[in-house]
Amino acid sequence: EAGVAQSPRYKIIEKRQSVAFWCNPISGHATLYWYQQILGQGPKLLIQFQNNGVVDDSQLPKDRFSAERLKGVDSTLKIQPAKLEDSAVYLCASSLGSSGGAYETQYFGPGTRLLVL
Amino acid sequence: GENVEQHPSTLSVQEGDSAVIKCTYSDSASNYFPWYKQELGKGPQLIIDIRSNVGEKKDQRIAVTLNKTAKHFSLHITETQPEDSAVYFCAAVGGKSTFGDGTTLTVKP
Repeated sequence: EAGVAQSPRYKIIEKRQSVAFWCNPISGHATLYWYQQILGQGPKLLIQFQNNGVVDDSQLPKDRFSAERLKGVDSTLKIQPAKLEDSAVYLCASSLGSSGGAYETQYFGPGTRLLVL
Repeated sequence: GENVEQHPSTLSVQEGDSAVIKCTYSDSASNYFPWYKQELGKGPQLIIDIRSNVGEKKDQRIAVTLNKTAKHFSLHITETQPEDSAVYFCAAVGGKSTFGDGTTLTVKP
């Protein structure tokens, strides 16, 4: 079974530029998550989708971050404009979605490492 | 919101020794507690989990215990091997996942 795919793996941009990350979840997984992992910290949930609807985006900085999951499959996370403090690894994860996220194993992709200069 | 504290932040053991990592959580609504292993350049991978209606769970060399009253749970790794070296994260889930800040485990041959 193919895992969660993410691209690009690395990205370096200057502050105030924009950047986009792409995620392809495991086939058949209804729930998709985007996490931000700052160096030395645990992942922090940014947004959770169930199919193409948003379940939780309470920790997404909506003035600069946006995410979409068209057709309930792939997802894109965008940052515009980027700030120095956005430097982090952005992880995408997916789960079956059969129990609304409760007790479900989340499968993580390898992440995109973003450096904002 | 939920707050998860994880200790220690770093742990070094000799091969064959046991390792214990502890986490505390604040939200009594959390009912699912997974543990993840993250290797360099990779995403976290689930290694064991426990639900709030269970006090202990074991899978070969790995075990997890949960004390709901005290709001803490622990990961125990016995007979450690060099390939156990990684960063370990605990999480508390009560709707959404809140992670601890990780423990870097080093197993010396």
